[in-house]
Amino acid sequence: KAGVTQTPRYLIKTRGQQVTLSCSPISGHRSVSWYQQTPGQGLQFLFEYFSETQRNKGNFPGRFSGRQFSNSRSEMNVSTLELGDSALYLCASSLGSRDTIYFGEGSWLTVV
Amino acid sequence: SQELEQSPQSLIVQEGKNLTINCTSSKTLYGLYWYKQKYGEGLIFLMMLQKGGEEKSHEKITAKLDEKKQQSSLHITASQPSHAGIYLCGAGLFAGGTSYGKLTFGQGTILTVHP
Repeated sequence: KAGVTQTPRYLIKTRGQQVTLSCSPISGHRSVSWYQQTPGQGLQFLFEYFSETQRNKGNFPGRFSGRQFSNSRSEMNVSTLELGDSALYLCASSLGSRDTIYFGEGSWLTVV
Repeated sequence: SQELEQSPQSLIVQEGKNLTINCTSSKTLYGLYWYKQKYGEGLIFLMMLQKGGEEKSHEKITAKLDEKKQQSSLHITASQPSHAGIYLCGAGLFAGGTSYGKLTFGQGTILTVHP
């Protein structure tokens, strides 16, 4: 059974640009959540989707957005990139609210 | 302020030694996860604890949840170099018991195991 798949694994963007990251959850998982990991702030929750609906959102500016498609695949978008957005972005999936949450390998974003 | 505090922040042990990592919450825990991470990579699921007093083991790793103390511990017996990495505890702290996929994480414990 394939795990959580994230693409791309590495990318470099320029300040002011926008970026889209993709996540394919484990087959059958309907909940997808996104996290940002930085050395200074650690792992921070961005948002969570279940059956195409955002159920929970972290404390991030509106530049960070996401969506989930009918096949449970999810994308997150960051617009007007800032240097501080450089981070490892992790996607996680689970069957439901109280089930085990599995993480992908992450997407490394560097903003220059 | 951190809602989940891990201790110690880093740990260096000799291969074969036992060790314990603690995770303490400032709020009531609704399920606690332990993950392991190699730098720059994703989180590897170790264990999930949901009930007070629950204890789970996998190979040489044992995790316990003391819900009354709002604390969990991860114990590694006879450590090996393969155990090296960053250990993270994560918990759903949402009032009412449903965190909807939102986990709050501790700052992590960096474990180094010398052969």
